[in-house]
Amino acid sequence: NAGVTQTPKFRILKIGQSMTLQCTQDMNHNYMYWYRQDPGMGLKLIYYSVGAGITDKGEVPNGYNVSRSTTEDFPLRLELAAPSQTSVYFCASQVQGRDTQYFGPGTRLTVL
Amino acid sequence: AQKITQTQPGMFVQEKEAVTLDCTYDTSDPSYGLFWYKQPSSGEMIFLIYQGSYDQQNATEGRYSLNFQKARKSANLVISASQLGDSAMYFCAMREGQDSGGYQKVTFGTGTKLQVIP
Repeated sequence: NAGVTQTPKFRILKIGQSMTLQCTQDMNHNYMYWYRQDPGMGLKLIYYSVGAGITDKGEVPNGYNVSRSTTEDFPLRLELAAPSQTSVYFCASQVQGRDTQYFGPGTRLTVL
Repeated sequence: AQKITQTQPGMFVQEKEAVTLDCTYDTSDPSYGLFWYKQPSSGEMIFLIYQGSYDQQNATEGRYSLNFQKARKSANLVISASQLGDSAMYFCAMREGQDSGGYQKVTFGTGTKLQVIP
């Protein structure tokens, strides 16, 4: 099992550009999450999904969109990138009914 | 009010000594869970230990134990026999609530940076 994989590892965007952060898990987990981690801070939830076709907003959803067309994939879309979106983005997955979230390696995004 | 409070931005510990990382939490939900994650300098988040609010005994996983004091709303992580590889950021987190889909919100603290001294 590869677990949770994220691409790309690093990316630099210009203000106003768009991009999609990819997240894939091969553990057949129902739940998937996107978090952002700002320097010196804990993780904040952007969006989550409890299964294919179902997504919902977390704590800081503005400026982002998600989709969940399959169990495995949960891409995060940034439209009109802003410097405030400079952060490290983590994707995580979890089995419904279990407590542990499994994290991907993260994507470090810089918006200049 | 902060849901998860970690009051120690940084800690030092001598190799082979034990260290306690503090975590207090705030919730009115009777069913909740507490986690600790380790984040080394490489950046990944590694699950360490979990404690459910109804668990009678403190959780242990190898050199990690969770000192759960429900009345004080604290869930401190104890690392015994510290190793150089334990140097990392440590995050306390809590899950609480449950929506119709079974989702339970997870909130993270701001972390404690632990440095193990040879």
